[in-house]
Amino acid sequence: EVQLVESGGGLVQPGGSLRLSCAASGFIFSNYWMGWVRQAPGRGLEWVANIKPDESERYYVDSAKGRFTVSRDNAKNSLYLQMNSLRAEDTAVYYCARVVPGASFDYWGQGTLVTVSS
Amino acid sequence: DVVMTQSPLSLPVTLGQPASISCRSSQSLVYSDGNTYLNWYQQRPGQSPRRLIYEVSNRDSGVPDRFSGSGSGTDFTLKISRVEAEDVGVYYCMQGTHWPPITFGQGTRLEIK
Repeated sequence: EVQLVESGGGLVQPGGSLRLSCAASGFIFSNYWMGWVRQAPGRGLEWVANIKPDESERYYVDSAKGRFTVSRDNAKNSLYLQMNSLRAEDTAVYYCARVVPGASFDYWGQGTLVTVSS
Repeated sequence: DVVMTQSPLSLPVTLGQPASISCRSSQSLVYSDGNTYLNWYQQRPGQSPRRLIYEVSNRDSGVPDRFSGSGSGTDFTLKISRVEAEDVGVYYCMQGTHWPPITFGQGTRLEIK
């Protein structure tokens, strides 16, 4: 059974940093692209970043470029999102998701809440 | 960027009645390989999104056959043949043809009348 479990969310001040983690199981993690999608409170879904299995390609939504870094550790079956220079508008539930052909997200984690506030 | 526009944004439906959600993209979603990467997701209250349909019309495993997807080019539809109480939630279309960025529709909130 595919499982994705996010952690690392919390309350952070504007300008601060946070590192999210996603522990994957139930599939061969090193074979799949992975991604992050976020959802601000009461709002819709917004794609944040995708990463190739060998980390040779990484893509970000414009608002995350230069501030967020997606990475992975295939030996640990883990996906990460390093978020720096956080802003109030980054407040959201962040979901980790497995990416399949067509840039489709077929499995999602339960999400971790990031709140950026002073 | 490809803009995905859903309608309606709110959909009150009587139990047992059909429901239909439209999704239009700002450009054709046909990829160079001939496939169309249009997906539909369901998000029940308090839950993570769940993929229902991929590549326009393919139902995911475990998705009831009352859900169906159709369309081509820039116009797509998600239909529920007979709405059940468990179908309450928000439905999103998403395109994976022209990325980055991957883009979602605004979401359609389905509620029971």
